[in-house]
Amino acid sequence: GQQLNQSPQSMFIQEGEDVSMNCTSSSIFNTWLWYKQEPGEGPVLLIALYKAGELTSNGRLTAQFGITRKDSFLNISASIPSDVGIYFCAGIDDYKLSFGAGTTVTVRA
Amino acid sequence: DSGVTQTPKHLITATGQRVTLRCSPRSGDLSVYWYQQSLDQGLQFLIQYYNGEERAKGNILERFSAQQFPDLHSELNLSSLELGDSALYFCASSVGGRALSGELFFGEGSRLTVL
Repeated sequence: GQQLNQSPQSMFIQEGEDVSMNCTSSSIFNTWLWYKQEPGEGPVLLIALYKAGELTSNGRLTAQFGITRKDSFLNISASIPSDVGIYFCAGIDDYKLSFGAGTTVTVRA
Repeated sequence: DSGVTQTPKHLITATGQRVTLRCSPRSGDLSVYWYQQSLDQGLQFLIQYYNGEERAKGNILERFSAQQFPDLHSELNLSSLELGDSALYFCASSVGGRALSGELFFGEGSRLTVL
């Protein structure tokens, strides 16, 4: 399957801080997605990006589909305790949805 | 609540054994996907079924098999279990046959522990 490199692997952030994580691939994707997984639950779709260069927001979350179609980033502004979780990037190539290894976010109150 | 139901939530078994994980998709969804999540790893795509037929295959071992029944529920069978098969197994569903929108709805997972 496709190889997605997600970084950082984990981060500790102060409440109120802005957070950024990114994902790169050696191959082109037609769609980039960002999911969040909270403890004991399955991943939930946060943002979907369908066009190169697209910048999309969902509340305090902003994500961009890289111009080269090989990368994407996710920003979380003014982090709060409920932002804790694992954030996964994912790319769609035909039928398959391939996931990155995830970024574990822990918020210090 | 995503509407996707997985059972059992937890399962502990021994090496060499066989287990079956079950998934009921959201009402109206025709596609079912199985993913494996091991410790410190992302979600590895195993297999997809659409309306009863296998649609796509990922990194699924030969010891594993799956099927989707006429009522659209799916089962993932894991046999000759090894310690390394311990993982969280997720089922997801979508309306169509292609994950084009990325709108996969995930269940809460079945945690398998092989001792």
